[in-house]
Amino acid sequence: DVKVTQSSRYLVKRTGEKVFLECVQDMDHENMFWYRQDPGLGLRLIYFSYDVKMKEKGDIPEGYSVSREKKERFSLILESASTNQTSMYLCASPPGGQGGLGNTIYFGEGSWLTVV
Amino acid sequence: GDSVTQMEGPVTLSEEAFLTINCTYTATGYPSLFWYVQYPGEGLQLLLKATKADDKGSNKGFEATYRKETTSFHLEKGSVQVSDSAVYFCALTHGGGSEKLVFGKGTKLTVNP
Repeated sequence: DVKVTQSSRYLVKRTGEKVFLECVQDMDHENMFWYRQDPGLGLRLIYFSYDVKMKEKGDIPEGYSVSREKKERFSLILESASTNQTSMYLCASPPGGQGGLGNTIYFGEGSWLTVV
Repeated sequence: GDSVTQMEGPVTLSEEAFLTINCTYTATGYPSLFWYVQYPGEGLQLLLKATKADDKGSNKGFEATYRKETTSFHLEKGSVQVSDSAVYFCALTHGGGSEKLVFGKGTKLTVNP
């Protein structure tokens, strides 16, 4: 019954490394999101995509980029990881469209990234 | 822009106590409102939702009523269990295609036996 899969649950990377976080959804949804979660700050939107090869910045895009080459896959890229990017990253995929209003938005289990 | 404010935690209760976690929002129009729960080491799961004013969402003994006049969506449970220990997030979305969720900062609940 898996719907949103984040392939890496726990990663430790060095400062300056390039980091890829992968997210795959099996629901044929158009919309996909990347959030980061930090204690006391809740979830903050980094980037989202509403179609293949389409992307839009969220609230905190600095230091991140994304790739959406296929509908089912949405990758978050840290071009040069820094210690302030140590966080938990969550991928989400809603149904989208007016018919999706209020429908369940599925989250992955999260990727815990530590940058040392 | 849209925002969600929820009571700061942590909240610590004894088993069978009554729970209220306050949530208020600022948004234009008529957003949909949600409560998500995150158990230790897991991602977020939808707990309940309400899509229009005066709707009551309910699940697993939890309830929340969409109050447009007070822009609130407070989460309540009459008798909490140890297994309810988790972080709870209030959120809203306007949908309209993008379905972007705006979250509160989360409230950590610990229930002691």
